[in-house]
Amino acid sequence: GNSVTQMEGPVTLSEEAFLTINCTYTATGYPSLFWYVQYPGEGLQLLLKATKADDKGSNKGFEATYRKETTSFHLEKGSVQVSDSAVYFCALYAGGTSYGKLTFGQGTILTVHP
Amino acid sequence: DVKVTQSSRYLVKRTGEKVFLECVQDMDHENMFWYRQDPGLGLRLIYFSYDVKMKEKGDIPEGYSVSREKKERFSLILESASTNQTSMYLCASSFGRFFAGTDTQYFGPGTRLTVL
Repeated sequence: GNSVTQMEGPVTLSEEAFLTINCTYTATGYPSLFWYVQYPGEGLQLLLKATKADDKGSNKGFEATYRKETTSFHLEKGSVQVSDSAVYFCALYAGGTSYGKLTFGQGTILTVHP
Repeated sequence: DVKVTQSSRYLVKRTGEKVFLECVQDMDHENMFWYRQDPGLGLRLIYFSYDVKMKEKGDIPEGYSVSREKKERFSLILESASTNQTSMYLCASSFGRFFAGTDTQYFGPGTRLTVL
């Protein structure tokens, strides 16, 4: 079956530090890959996505590259801010007859200190 | 912008009560989903619907049912609430399988349910 594995958190960084959150996946075929972000007290928001190998998704200074050879979609940001403190979810969409169902990772809590 | 709304942000109910959680989307999406979110367990899919009156079980349907009488509205029902159903409940929607963008889900703000 399909699965997504995220690095375990929580992750604590100082402002302006470099961020990497690892995500690897298992899926048949060619899934679409996503990062969602959940700010405190809110629902999930789409942060970025990539739909095929070597695609790079980017938004708000965050980037992730779809690496089929390593089945990975690691999230990076060069300089984090306090406002980036949130829970980050990696997810995949396998397509076919899945009716839009996503498979989510466990989530990684990020805390950024001033 | 896509808007997914949930009827309550916070809800407190007693064990044995019947509980209704409502979700409405305004983008004419075919697919709608209910998840629960618990610390350390991520998001778990309870039920989903790909059309009016159609529903499919997700990974943890026990103790829940759903209703979709209109395209824009998807209700989650706890027939007899129990303390182990205390959780954050998230609703989401997406376009149908024959549309571009069917892969992207849009989430509501969540309902934090406490069962005493």
